[in-house]
Amino acid sequence: QQQVKQSPQSLIVQKGGISIINCAYENTAFDYFPWYQQFPGKGPALLIAIRPDVSEKKEGRFTISFNKSAKQFSLHIMDSQPGDSATYFCAASGVNAGGTSYGKLTFGQGTILTVHP
Amino acid sequence: NAGVTQTPKFQVLKTGQSMTLQCAQDMNHEYMSWYRQDPGMGLRLIHYSVGAGITDQGEVPNGYNVSRSTTEDFPLRLLSAAPSQTSVYFCASSPDRFSPAYEQYFGPGTRLTVT
Repeated sequence: QQQVKQSPQSLIVQKGGISIINCAYENTAFDYFPWYQQFPGKGPALLIAIRPDVSEKKEGRFTISFNKSAKQFSLHIMDSQPGDSATYFCAASGVNAGGTSYGKLTFGQGTILTVHP
Repeated sequence: NAGVTQTPKFQVLKTGQSMTLQCAQDMNHEYMSWYRQDPGMGLRLIHYSVGAGITDQGEVPNGYNVSRSTTEDFPLRLLSAAPSQTSVYFCASSPDRFSPAYEQYFGPGTRLTVT
């Protein structure tokens, strides 16, 4: 049972364009939403993260947009570059059963982004 | 710092064989975990540990064993490999044992094929 659904599976963008990856979640207990970037042959690395008390977070060319009522969040990559070509994973986490900590991450299926020069 | 290291990088096993995937970190992180990555499935948590001597199951623990005798090492054992365990395995660690989701550092992965 996939609690975080990510789309599209793959995305091709021209250099300078905007890349948009979407995620939807089901568990209303989730309240921490990171994005991970993975280059071929490497492990994932934390890119940017958001909590639902804000609707948008921007770091450089990367922006997370968050819609709490729709239970959706998205990653926007502005001025996409060939070096951004990678697999992107959204994820979600929330308090554990004891209500005291943020433990496990639930990942989306991943999006393979290719930016053509 | 080497960060999180994993060995081997590649491994081919026959059905029924056993092996241990090694993971080590030199950042003195108490929290360590193992994920498997399969196409179209994202990363799924296998087992995790919040400190030496403490381990617990994740989302897909069947067929895997772990132990944590030191802070640095967290090996993953496959007792009797099955083709369904063909996957890429990632080890990760976090400096925050109480809120590890906030910041996880991943190793480079081990690609395992079971024939």
